[in-house]
Amino acid sequence: DTGVSQDPRHKITKRGQNVTFRCDPISEHNRLYWYRQTLGQGPEFLTYFQNEAQLEKSRLLSDRFSAERPKGSFSTLEIQRTEQGDSAMYLCASTPIQGAGTEAFFGQGTRLTVV
Amino acid sequence: RKEVEQDPGPFNVPEGATVAFNCTYSNSASQSFFWYRQDCRKEPKLLMSVYSSGNEDGRFTAQLNRASQYISLLIRDSKLSDSATYLCVVNMRPSGAGSYQLTFGKGTKLSVIP
Repeated sequence: DTGVSQDPRHKITKRGQNVTFRCDPISEHNRLYWYRQTLGQGPEFLTYFQNEAQLEKSRLLSDRFSAERPKGSFSTLEIQRTEQGDSAMYLCASTPIQGAGTEAFFGQGTRLTVV
Repeated sequence: RKEVEQDPGPFNVPEGATVAFNCTYSNSASQSFFWYRQDCRKEPKLLMSVYSSGNEDGRFTAQLNRASQYISLLIRDSKLSDSATYLCVVNMRPSGAGSYQLTFGKGTKLSVIP
């Protein structure tokens, strides 16, 4: 499968624990995005990378959230001291360098439940 | 005002009906426009890009009006398999952001009924 893959698919954690998610983008894609989606809402932008550089972070992103893409390939998203409000689907997407009309390919997401 | 706004839905229509979704966006400098489809508990997938000249793909027609900052999607002869959430997506630089990013509407849920 040469699409975007995310791991794990599901994660249940206790409030206050740290969690880390991984995303492997399509290999030739330079840009990698993280989105969060809650029930009944569209995906909400969190951050994106161009190669290994993190170029943008949402103002809504708490300091408890951090993302890396150390070699410009896979990326990790870490949430520290999880809260119940962090429960959501976390989606990763990748694109080539984004010009007008570029399609974003999404992974199947990691569904996080904080109990 | 939200950056990308869609009809709240849900839309419940019989098979064979024609249904139209509307979307407005806030930033006139937006670069590109898309409709994505998202099935229940699945990831979003591109349905079609939207061009100023309008474009059609089978039963689906998308229109863009830059002057009104308005996008539409028309589905003709709807099928049961069209049941999904339709997301309006704009490549824009949201207020306060330093770069362009794909910005999603809330989505409109469509249920096609036998």
